Amino acid sequence: QLHLQESGPGQVKPSETLSLTCNVSGGSIGSSSYYWDWVRQSPGKGLEWIGTLYYGGSTYDNPSLKSRVTISVDTSKNQFSLELTSVTAADTAVYYCASGYTGFNSLDYWGQGTLVTVSS
Amino acid sequence: SSELIQDPDVSVALGRTVRITCQGDSLRRYSASWYQQKPGQAPVLVISGKTNRPSGISDRFSGSSSGNTASLTITGAQAEDEADYYCDSRGSSGNRVFGPGTKVTVL
Repeated sequence: QLHLQESGPGQVKPSETLSLTCNVSGGSIGSSSYYWDWVRQSPGKGLEWIGTLYYGGSTYDNPSLKSRVTISVDTSKNQFSLELTSVTAADTAVYYCASGYTGFNSLDYWGQGTLVTVSS
Repeated sequence: SSELIQDPDVSVALGRTVRITCQGDSLRRYSASWYQQKPGQAPVLVISGKTNRPSGISDRFSGSSSGNTASLTITGAQAEDEADYYCDSRGSSGNRVFGPGTKVTVL
């Protein structure tokens, strides 16, 4: 049973880079059994997929975010990270890290989410 | 198209059955999963891989699929089932796509 916990600044200035980390416990980030996602939810809106990190290091991100996304892994800390560059007010959202089992589409485990506000 | 379509609002009387649908071309190829989200909480997976119910999820929840439509059925709806429900699947390029969500109100 995985447990995921997001951490990072709650406020970011416009044009700067949003950086969040997801700490994983109950399993290894280096395991081939899992993949790792970031999902966000703007206030009052639905869920939006940001990107996925697969075992072996390959990543895929939402084309609507126009290549502003970097997802990386730190196996020594058992965590993975999100960087979103050139943020605007439209990037204000609750950001969730989540995980699913390799070969299956569903996200079985979710962090509690962290609100990031883009404001000067 | 990678878009998923859900009815925005659905209501159900306490103890009755409600079906929530999710439509999209990608569902002909990829299975849908369903998530329940209550206010201020993270989403919770309630149905995975079309019909599988994770451990700990009430057997009131069931999933089905036909053609381009996936369905989540709540049988004998309870007050605690009032929530937003999201489907997700894979788009034509293999990326994850969420539906816009359905708000379920239990009357």
